Amino acid sequence: QVQLVQSGAEVRKPGASVKVSCKASGYTFSSYGFSWVRQAPGQGLEWMGWISPYNGNTNYAQKLQGRVTMTTDTSTSTVYMELRSLRSDDTAVYYCARDLVVRGPSAYWGQGTLVTVSS
Amino acid sequence: EIVMTQSPATLSVSPGERATLSCRASQSVSSSLAWYLQKPGQAPRLLIYAASTRATGIPGRFSGSGFGTEFTLTISSLQSEDFAVYYCQQYNNWPPLTFGGGTKVEIK
Repeated sequence: QVQLVQSGAEVRKPGASVKVSCKASGYTFSSYGFSWVRQAPGQGLEWMGWISPYNGNTNYAQKLQGRVTMTTDTSTSTVYMELRSLRSDDTAVYYCARDLVVRGPSAYWGQGTLVTVSS
Repeated sequence: EIVMTQSPATLSVSPGERATLSCRASQSVSSSLAWYLQKPGQAPRLLIYAASTRATGIPGRFSGSGFGTEFTLTISSLQSEDFAVYYCQQYNNWPPLTFGGGTKVEIK
């Protein structure tokens, strides 16, 4: 069965960086893309970007361009999301989510990683 | 960017009753519309994709309809486990993928 397991909670100071991992199992890793979605406390879902493990192609939300980088490691079936120059409003739960079909809706989700940005 | 607008923000329904949730797109998304359910402290779960196709394991009381800019999620008879927040998402024209603001279905 498809499983996505994310890394644990992180605390960072403003201006720092964070890198969240998402390890996939139960299917052929390179066959489906991943989105990263975040959710600030009490707020809705915000799409951050998408990556294809097949060829490394990425699409990022315009508001995060220049601060976010998504990568994959096919040897370990892991997707990474790095966010730099953290601000307090980056405090959120960060989810990885796998496409149902390539560039389709997100059928499988990780458990979420809480990133807290505080001085 | 396609803006997704959900209504109402909150829906109060008694168990066993029918719930109807709406989602509107700022421009046509064809049938590339998904619905998700999110319970407190949990990740979202895919309910419906392609506007009307139930995802694997989703019970038949959930149904989706619509095309273009107007979409509806109907829960025919609310069960206790259905009280949650529901989000729509368009995946027709992206980036960016966009979500609606959510509808909270609460117990009346």
